[in-house]
Amino acid sequence: GAVVSQHPSWVICKSGTSVKIECRSLDFQATTMFWYRQFPKQSLMLMATSNEGSKATYEQGVEKDKFLINHASLTLSTLTVTSAHPEDSSFYICSARYFSGTAYTGELFFGEGSRLTVL
Amino acid sequence: DQQVKQNSPSLSVQEGRISILNCDYTNSMFDYFLWYKKYPAEGPTFLISISSIKDKNEDGRFTVFLNKSAKHLSLHIVPSQPGDSAVYFCAASASTDYKLSFGAGTTVTVRA
Repeated sequence: GAVVSQHPSWVICKSGTSVKIECRSLDFQATTMFWYRQFPKQSLMLMATSNEGSKATYEQGVEKDKFLINHASLTLSTLTVTSAHPEDSSFYICSARYFSGTAYTGELFFGEGSRLTVL
Repeated sequence: DQQVKQNSPSLSVQEGRISILNCDYTNSMFDYFLWYKKYPAEGPTFLISISSIKDKNEDGRFTVFLNKSAKHLSLHIVPSQPGDSAVYFCAASASTDYKLSFGAGTTVTVRA
């Protein structure tokens, strides 16, 4: 099946620094990628929709200046957590919508996730 | 506002028996439903899906049932195996935007 890869899988940073997480679709082009955040023992919460070549669409309550999303190519989206604080510590997961060549399905393929710990 | 609900946070089942996971949704625009399996510190992996035009979809040991009138779906795993121990997320999307809304997950533990 389609493969989505995230990097890094684990990152620890000091409070006040910025961290970039990459999401790549390895064997297909993804014009749309999604970024989720998961707190321990909770559901995945959609943060934003990343569209190639245009600005990301953020969900209500998500600070766009805090979580910068760039989708510069058809296979790469990046999430930058700016001026990270301990409350930003979480598991961040990206996903890409698979295009079969004729149509999109509702199915998403997920990256492995990136665990961010802010000290 | 949680549009997809999994009211059972955990389920314990003996190996070889059936696991039944339940999911309810509130948004009548949802027309595509998926189940994902997730191990700790990993991203979710797709398990099985069902379109709203069907009421059942089967794939090996996994069967998903959809009851549109009740806005309810369930995942049956039979027979359950120790490797099935994981968190299972129910998800739903509408063909208008394809965004996925997830339930809170059900942790399944299969006992040997």
